[in-house]
Amino acid sequence: GENVEQHPSTLSVQEGDSAVIKCTYSDSASNYFPWYKQELGKRPQLIIDIRSNVGEKKDQRIAVTLNKTAKHFSLHITETQPEDSAVYFCAPGYGSNYQLIWGAGTKLIIKP
Amino acid sequence: DTAVSQTPKYLVTQMGNDKSIKCEQNLGHDTMYWYKQDSKKFLKIMFSYNNKELIINETVPNRFSPKSPDKAHLNLHINSLELGDSAVYFCASSQDGGAGDTEAFFGQGTRLTVV
Repeated sequence: GENVEQHPSTLSVQEGDSAVIKCTYSDSASNYFPWYKQELGKRPQLIIDIRSNVGEKKDQRIAVTLNKTAKHFSLHITETQPEDSAVYFCAPGYGSNYQLIWGAGTKLIIKP
Repeated sequence: DTAVSQTPKYLVTQMGNDKSIKCEQNLGHDTMYWYKQDSKKFLKIMFSYNNKELIINETVPNRFSPKSPDKAHLNLHINSLELGDSAVYFCASSQDGGAGDTEAFFGQGTRLTVV
């Protein structure tokens, strides 16, 4: 079955610095690679996604890069701000047998 | 104009009771899900329905029974509640057929506390 690993589990960065979170998956059938942000006490919300025919996608300060050969994709946040503090989840989709496995989450802490 | 709404937001109940959580989406999506988020923040899918048909039924106790009267509603009924059922339960919907290859929209969550 699908195995999804997310690293690191906790990431603490200085405000203004960059943050990178990596997600590794096992099912080569996966073709959708989203990142969700969950603020404390709130629901998860999609912040950026990419499909397997694209290698990189940017939206202002956030970007996602995909390496399908190595089966991993990463979330990049530049010029981090206090409101970026949250838990981030990856959730590769369209694996075989309709498995929906989410990464364990990365707690991002932005230090002032 | 809430997209995915679930009720109640908080639920405190005693062990052994039976409770239900309701979920409705007005996005016109064909697929709805129930997720459980434990105290360590792990998000685990429990069930998914596509057009009222069950397509994912993960290994959860059979005390949990989903019901989908129509494709806009997916309710979760839990029998004989146990302490370990305490968690936040999220309902979600998406436009895809259940493979998780489109954005999932989540409800606000129901924090269930079993005492």
